Amino acid sequence: NAGVMQNPRHLVRRRGQEARLRCSPVKGHSHVYWYRQLPEEGLKFMVYLQKENIIDESGMPKERFSAEFPKEGPSILRIQQVVRGDSAAYFCASSPILDSGEQFFGPGTRLTVL
Amino acid sequence: AQSVTQLDSQVPVFEEAPVELRCNYSSSVSVYLFWYVQYPNQGLQLLLKYLSGSTLVKGINGFEAEFNKSQTSFHLRKPSVHISDTAEYFCAVRRDTGTASKLTFGTGTRLQVTL
Repeated sequence: NAGVMQNPRHLVRRRGQEARLRCSPVKGHSHVYWYRQLPEEGLKFMVYLQKENIIDESGMPKERFSAEFPKEGPSILRIQQVVRGDSAAYFCASSPILDSGEQFFGPGTRLTVL
Repeated sequence: AQSVTQLDSQVPVFEEAPVELRCNYSSSVSVYLFWYVQYPNQGLQLLLKYLSGSTLVKGINGFEAEFNKSQTSFHLRKPSVHISDTAEYFCAVRRDTGTASKLTFGTGTRLQVTL
């Protein structure tokens, strides 16, 4: 069984460009979470989505960041007009409809902004 | 809101020695507790979790943790570490509401095992 898939694994952008990060959850999981890990720090929650709905976006920066989880296809985290401070590892996690407590994490996308 | 404190940012230990990684949490509601491990340039892997029941939880790779509600702690232990245990360890909590919700992480403890 495939786990959480994220692509690309590494992404390099210049300041002002857009970054699109993709996450395919574990098959059958309908809950997706995005976390950001800045260098030498722990993971910080960004957003929690279910299919076609944003459930909790309390950790999302108010500007330039958006997330979606469409009915078909992967979840997308989009960062517009990237700045150097956006350089981080972005992790996606998923969990099933029936709450088992656990979230399953992907390998992450490491974004570098030049 | 929940918060997690991992008191030690780095823990050096010799191979085959015991280790304890400390975790304290704060929450106004009941919580679930987790320990995750992160190897370099990889994602997070669940070591163990406490949802309910016995306060002593056994996980993978010989790790265990004990939930202490009165001290709001969930310390991770291993009686004899191996070189391959060198990694970053994260304690996390989420509210116990029966529905899915976000995880709140500590800042991590880097376990460095040497010969």
